[in-house]
Amino acid sequence: AQSVTQPDIHITVSEGASLELRCNYSYGATPYLFWYVQSPGQGLQLLLKYFSGDTLVQGIKGFEAEFKRSQSSFNLRKPSVHWSDAAEYFCAVGPDDNYGQNFVFGPGTRLSVLP
Amino acid sequence: DGGITQSPKYLFRKEGQNVTLSCEQNLNHDAMYWYRQDPGQGLRLIYYSQIVNDFQKGDIAEGYSVSREKKESFPLTVTSAQKNPTAFYLCATIDGSASYGYTFGSGTRLTVV
Repeated sequence: AQSVTQPDIHITVSEGASLELRCNYSYGATPYLFWYVQSPGQGLQLLLKYFSGDTLVQGIKGFEAEFKRSQSSFNLRKPSVHWSDAAEYFCAVGPDDNYGQNFVFGPGTRLSVLP
Repeated sequence: DGGITQSPKYLFRKEGQNVTLSCEQNLNHDAMYWYRQDPGQGLRLIYYSQIVNDFQKGDIAEGYSVSREKKESFPLTVTSAQKNPTAFYLCATIDGSASYGYTFGSGTRLTVV
C-alpha cells in the first residue's frame, strides 16, 4: 500500500533563512507527488506537483521540490522564508488504485517562522 | 469564480444527533471526496464519489453516510454511530486525471458538545 512519511512534525526557521521540508513515500510505480499548504482553519492549497518530466518542479510562492526516485523522496525547498509562510505543509502521493483517484497524505509538517 | 463551498464553517453536535455537512462545487468536476483531519494524522478518506448516484467507502467510513444526487453536491452526514466525530472535515474535487491534484474547500469544524 502507498504511504507517505514526513519526518519533521514541527520546524522553526528565522525569516530569510532557507527551508527544506522532507517527504518520503512508498509507491509501486512512478507516483504523482504533491505538496499542499494549509493555513489554520482553512482548506489545503496546492503548491506544486510532479508526475513526469523534469525532476525539479517549481511551484507558487517561490517553492520548489525535487523528485529523487532512488531515495523515494520529494523534498520541498524555499531559498528565503517569509513570515507569511508559517503554516502546515502536507505531502501527498497517488493515485491509490484502491480508491479511485485518491491520494495518500503524510501527517504534515508545521512551519513556524521567527521574525 | 469557480470553487468549492463548504457549510457551515463551524458546527456543534449534541450526543446522539445526526448532522449534515454541505459541499457544493461549481467547477464541473466529476469526482468528489470527503476527508477527516485530526491533529498529527494528516487527512483520512471517508467517502468518495466519481459519478452521480455512485459512491464508495474510504478508510474510515463507519459512522458516516453520503449521497450524490447531483454532480454539484456531495453532502456528508455524521451519524450518532460515529463515536468521536470532533474533527475538521474537508471536501475535495478532482477534474479528470489524477495528475491535476485536488481542489479543496475551506472545511467545516465539527465539535461535539
